[in-house]
Amino acid sequence: QKEVEQDPGPLSVPEGAIVSLNCTYSNSAFQYFMWYRQYSRKGPELLMYTYSSGNKEDGRFTAQVDKSSKYISLFIRDSQPSDSATYLCAIYQGGSEKLVFGKGMKLTVNP
Amino acid sequence: DVKVTQSSRYLVKRTGEKVFLECVQDMDHENMFWYRQDPGLGLRLIYFSYDVKMKEKGDIPEGYSVSREKKERFSLILESASTNQTSMYLCASSWGLADARHEQYFGPGTRLTVT
Repeated sequence: QKEVEQDPGPLSVPEGAIVSLNCTYSNSAFQYFMWYRQYSRKGPELLMYTYSSGNKEDGRFTAQVDKSSKYISLFIRDSQPSDSATYLCAIYQGGSEKLVFGKGMKLTVNP
Repeated sequence: DVKVTQSSRYLVKRTGEKVFLECVQDMDHENMFWYRQDPGLGLRLIYFSYDVKMKEKGDIPEGYSVSREKKERFSLILESASTNQTSMYLCASSWGLADARHEQYFGPGTRLTVT
């Protein structure tokens, strides 16, 4: 089993939809959970970060972590065409400076 | 703002050529990373460096080497380019232990085509 699994999609939704992006992980030692956003022909940029179970909100974005199920989610409310990008989950497990990345989910929000 | 720059956005090389990809960061970061990104395979770590002249293999180091002579610069070398090394190459840097978030900052990427 891979350390981090992410459905690669792609996902296409109409403008205004609620989007749910998900990752599962296998190692309970994982400590910090991140979501990166990558626009076409650009490098990934950190979007959200959390280190505990529960929800963290930032505007239209909510990051959710369930450590008991080893499941992380990113919700986008009132999605906009500008949200069209690839979203990658990333996890830091400690002991090394490496991050473990999901494969990324390509999201298209249609006007 | 943290800035990570890569020497080329697009590069076309022939099979067997030696290829250098350069990455420079301007925030005095301890760690630097080289990834390749391919459709369906995601980001895969090739090498990373946690200090000048220090390096560690990532998940797919075969066919690659790296050099870090100065803190701000990390080079990826393809000793003899092959067509299966056609990919998007992304450089990243991070603070290291000074940053509890362990956030990595990425460059814009170099799309390398080997013909």
